[in-house]
Amino acid sequence: AQSVTQLGSHVSVSEGALVLLRCNYSSSVPPYLFWYVQYPNQGLQLLLKYTSAATLVKGINGFEAEFKKSETSFHLTKPSAHMSDAAEYFCAVSRGGATNKLIFGTGTLLAVQP
Amino acid sequence: EAGVAQSPRYKIIEKRQSVAFWCNPISGHATLYWYQQILGQGPKLLIQFQNNGVVDDSQLPKDRFSAERLKGVDSTLKIQPAKLEDSAVYLCASSLVPGSTDTQYFGPGTRLTVL
Repeated sequence: AQSVTQLGSHVSVSEGALVLLRCNYSSSVPPYLFWYVQYPNQGLQLLLKYTSAATLVKGINGFEAEFKKSETSFHLTKPSAHMSDAAEYFCAVSRGGATNKLIFGTGTLLAVQP
Repeated sequence: EAGVAQSPRYKIIEKRQSVAFWCNPISGHATLYWYQQILGQGPKLLIQFQNNGVVDDSQLPKDRFSAERLKGVDSTLKIQPAKLEDSAVYLCASSLVPGSTDTQYFGPGTRLTVL
């Protein structure tokens, strides 16, 4: 069975500071990993995804994530937070294949302080 | 390119009533998903369609939930009768390529409140 654990349901950073959102996964098969962002009253938008190519994945809005198999982690980072980054972030895992079901974590709400 | 459309955006009903949600995926997307997102949790897949056939409905409470995707395009999700614990945001998503890690594009969701 696959699962995702997001450490920290709430993270607060100052504008311009490093953003680090943690995600650990469990999977019995090579996983595909995703980060989605959800702004208030909107659907989820894909930030980036890992599909077994490069372990360092760059996404939109300056975000990136590194797949570390030895640590079963896929943490999301951004060097410098912007006010517009305030949102909820979800990590998800999939095994691909015919049923490309996403298994989501419980989310991390990011607050950016001026 | 138009995104995934959902309606209504908000719905308030009393328990034991019925409700239906509608989803129009991105044009040409073969795969359609319905997720349930309860407050404080991540989305959970309810059902996945490949064209108009069901690929995965293992987590759909079939005694009260039903879904269809006629003609392989639009889809409706119905709850009958609704329970208090059905209060959630119902998200529809679609993807272009079946059976892959293709990006799933999400609609804005329908927020259901059951009183």
